[in-house]
Amino acid sequence: DAGVIQSPRHEVTEMGQEVTLRCKPISGHDYLFWYRQTMMRGLELLIYFNNNVPIDDSGMPEDRFSAKMPNASFSTLKIQPSEPRDSAVYFCASSPGGTVIYFGEGSWLTVV
Amino acid sequence: SQQGEEDPQALSIQEGENATMNCSYKTSINNLQWYRQNSGRGLVHLILIRSNEREKHSGRLRVTLDTSKKSSSLLITASRAADTASYFCATISSGSARQLTFGSGTQLTVLP
Repeated sequence: DAGVIQSPRHEVTEMGQEVTLRCKPISGHDYLFWYRQTMMRGLELLIYFNNNVPIDDSGMPEDRFSAKMPNASFSTLKIQPSEPRDSAVYFCASSPGGTVIYFGEGSWLTVV
Repeated sequence: SQQGEEDPQALSIQEGENATMNCSYKTSINNLQWYRQNSGRGLVHLILIRSNEREKHSGRLRVTLDTSKKSSSLLITASRAADTASYFCATISSGSARQLTFGSGTQLTVLP
């Protein structure tokens, strides 16, 4: 079975540019999560959706970050404008029921 | 904010030895999970223990939970070089919807 699919796997962009990260969750999962991982702050929950509806976005660091889930098979995390401190690995994860979480391989973002 | 804190931060052992990692958390929980992350990859769920359980086994993994001390341990028996990875505990606080928060992780290195 296909797992959570994220794209791009790696992105290097210049400060000020818009970054869009994409995620296809596992079919049938009703929860979708976006996490960010850095050495300094570890794994942080940014936002999560249940049945395509955003439930908690309190982890979104700033208004520069936005996430959407237009349907059950697709979600985006957008950063506009990007800053060097946004450099991190961004993980999308999905879950059937919201307890055990299945992670994608991550999108490695570098903002220069 | 991180709910769990793993101890030690790093652990290096010889193949065949047992590895024990500890996790402490702060609030009441519904369950506690352990995840593994290989370098450059996403996290993978290993095992879940519910708040009314004290011990659980899965293959070479043994997890204990002491809710009175708000702590858990993960024991990997007869370790292999392939067990080299970071190990994270994760909790969902009682009353929290589906916010799975992760600890800071233990980096385990198993030397051949």
